[in-house]
Amino acid sequence: SAVISQKPSRDICQRGTSLTIQCQVDSQVTMMFWYRQQPGQSLTLIATANQGSEATYESGFVIDKFPISRPNLTFSTLTVSNMSPEDSSIYLCSVVRTAFRTSGRGEDNEQFFGPGTRLTVL
Amino acid sequence: GQSLEQPSEVTAVEGAIVQINCTYQTSGFYGLSWYQQHDGGAPTFLSYNALDGLEETGRFSSFLSRSDSYGYLLLQELQMKDSASYFCAVRGNNFNKFYFGSGTKLNVKP
Repeated sequence: SAVISQKPSRDICQRGTSLTIQCQVDSQVTMMFWYRQQPGQSLTLIATANQGSEATYESGFVIDKFPISRPNLTFSTLTVSNMSPEDSSIYLCSVVRTAFRTSGRGEDNEQFFGPGTRLTVL
Repeated sequence: GQSLEQPSEVTAVEGAIVQINCTYQTSGFYGLSWYQQHDGGAPTFLSYNALDGLEETGRFSSFLSRSDSYGYLLLQELQMKDSASYFCAVRGNNFNKFYFGSGTKLNVKP
């Protein structure tokens, strides 16, 4: 399993400001993932944070708006820059653990999520 | 890109069996996952299917047919605490990136 913590758990911010969200994992992982979940909606992948290289962003998300740091194998930050009310959402970090099934039915990829950061932009 | 379809809402009674379907269209496919999310909580992993057939974990089972681009989550002996949203997600490449469906809200009634 993996234990993931995030800070802050929630925040209320003013339009035009920036917020940095921290994610800490209890063990080393190569990739960490950042998702956004708007109220009542599904999860949308923002970017993959790779240790030792630049983050890779999904279509519709850009580094200037969502800069990511990955200084080591257990920690990452996501910054939401120049915020607008449309950025109000829950932001989640995630890791995936891979193990081979003893049943012989291939591998198991178990995805763990942090508790999320609930952001409200006024 | 990826496209996943799930029913928006399903209602069932306590003790019953319910099946939540997921169809997908992706440019690449490595596996299908299922997650449970209670209101106000983070998603919790339930199962992952990389191969065709059934994977069973307690009261939950998940099925995959890669030729039909289709999977389902089967919940048996429903309990009130199973009331939650359930998401399927596709692993579309070899980098453990998962892309989520719109979610199915399961209402369990007494």
